[in-house]
Amino acid sequence: NAGVTQTPKFQVLKTGQSMTLQCAQDMNHNSMYWYRQDPGMGLRLIYYSASEGTTDKGEVPNGYNVSRLNKREFSLRLESAAPSQTSVYFCASSRDATYEQYFGPGTRLTVT
Amino acid sequence: GESVGLHLPTLSVQEGDNSIINCAYSNSASDYFIWYKQESGKGPQFIIDIRSNMDKRQGQRVTVLLNKTVKHLSLQIAATQPGDSAVYFCAEKNQAGTALIFGKGTTLSVSS
Repeated sequence: NAGVTQTPKFQVLKTGQSMTLQCAQDMNHNSMYWYRQDPGMGLRLIYYSASEGTTDKGEVPNGYNVSRLNKREFSLRLESAAPSQTSVYFCASSRDATYEQYFGPGTRLTVT
Repeated sequence: GESVGLHLPTLSVQEGDNSIINCAYSNSASDYFIWYKQESGKGPQFIIDIRSNMDKRQGQRVTVLLNKTVKHLSLQIAATQPGDSAVYFCAEKNQAGTALIFGKGTTLSVSS
């Protein structure tokens, strides 16, 4: 039981490049989330998926898109990376919104 | 608006002491609160949660207290150990009930 896994662990992009961050959970959770964490800040919600087939914007969705591929997988895409998107990205999942969230190990992204 | 904050960004204690980490929240309608621990380079790890129909909940060496009158949440760690050194975040469910809002975190340093 791996919990929440994320790939890649590290990534460096040039401004304007695109990439997709992958996330998968094996806990049969309904809800999945993408957060970003910047120095001195708490986690800020980018997008979430309350259940398979639905996605909604969080606090900071601009510059990102998501896909809930199936119940297990929830990906985050940066279409045209900007230096302001340099951050650590965390994926999380929960049974549903009323239960605790479990986090992956994070992806450290640098945009130059 | 919704916000969750912590009173102190850092807390230093001696090994064996009890630690108290505080958090203030703004949404009086919040009905679910969580504490997370984040070690360097890792994702947040669930510690304990509490629902608004409770004032206190105990786990292993940790206690969460909820004071709804003053919208205050605290995490008490008994007999603090060096392994407890980490950043601690409180979080509350957002108004829509769909995701969590995180505070900025308190860094706990334990010296032996």
